[in-house]
Amino acid sequence: GAVVSQHPSWVICKSGTSVKIECRSLDFQATTMFWYRQFPKQSLMLMATSNEGSKATYEQGVEKDKFLINHASLTLSTLTVTSAHPEDSSFYICSARVYGGLYNEQFFGPGTRLTVL
Amino acid sequence: GENVEQHPSTLSVQEGDSAVIKCTYSDSASNYFPWYKQELGKGPQLIIDIRSNVGEKKDQRIAVTLNKTAKHFSLHITETQPEDSAVYFCAASNGRRGFKTIFGAGTRLFVKA
Repeated sequence: GAVVSQHPSWVICKSGTSVKIECRSLDFQATTMFWYRQFPKQSLMLMATSNEGSKATYEQGVEKDKFLINHASLTLSTLTVTSAHPEDSSFYICSARVYGGLYNEQFFGPGTRLTVL
Repeated sequence: GENVEQHPSTLSVQEGDSAVIKCTYSDSASNYFPWYKQELGKGPQLIIDIRSNVGEKKDQRIAVTLNKTAKHFSLHITETQPEDSAVYFCAASNGRRGFKTIFGAGTRLFVKA
């Protein structure tokens, strides 16, 4: 149980294009999903918290117009990187928090490696 | 702001030896402390967690201890195996912070056969 999937697992795109990454909780409902980015040999940096049916909460320094998040259902959140540039190249990871849990038990997806040429 | 410090950044042990990774947290309201293992090119995998009402938890070769007074928690891996080689992250969170999780910087564990 507690499986989170991400799609795609990797993507290469040209500078200026937009890329959508999907995060799904496969066997549980998740009212809250989190989006992280991770640079090589670094820790996870929280970008935003996504709550089902409401607007995402972005961390300081993260541009909400550049990283569009939609959490339309209890099992799906999407992150769209708009007008991507080479500096957006990174490993993007989502996690999902178990609905109704008293503690912040999160389960992570396998990550999406984005390369912007 | 809240932070989690993790030590050491790199740890090399011989197969069969024990490995210990230590973390400290700053937010005294933190009540949930997970540990994640991340292999190269993959997402973090929850390996064990501990809640603030417990001082110790064990799962086969892995154990975690929590000292709330000192705001320390540690991961202990016994009888290490080469497949334990990975990056380990500690983390702390609480509901008052919107369940936001603060991660340590990570420990790169090498287990030499």
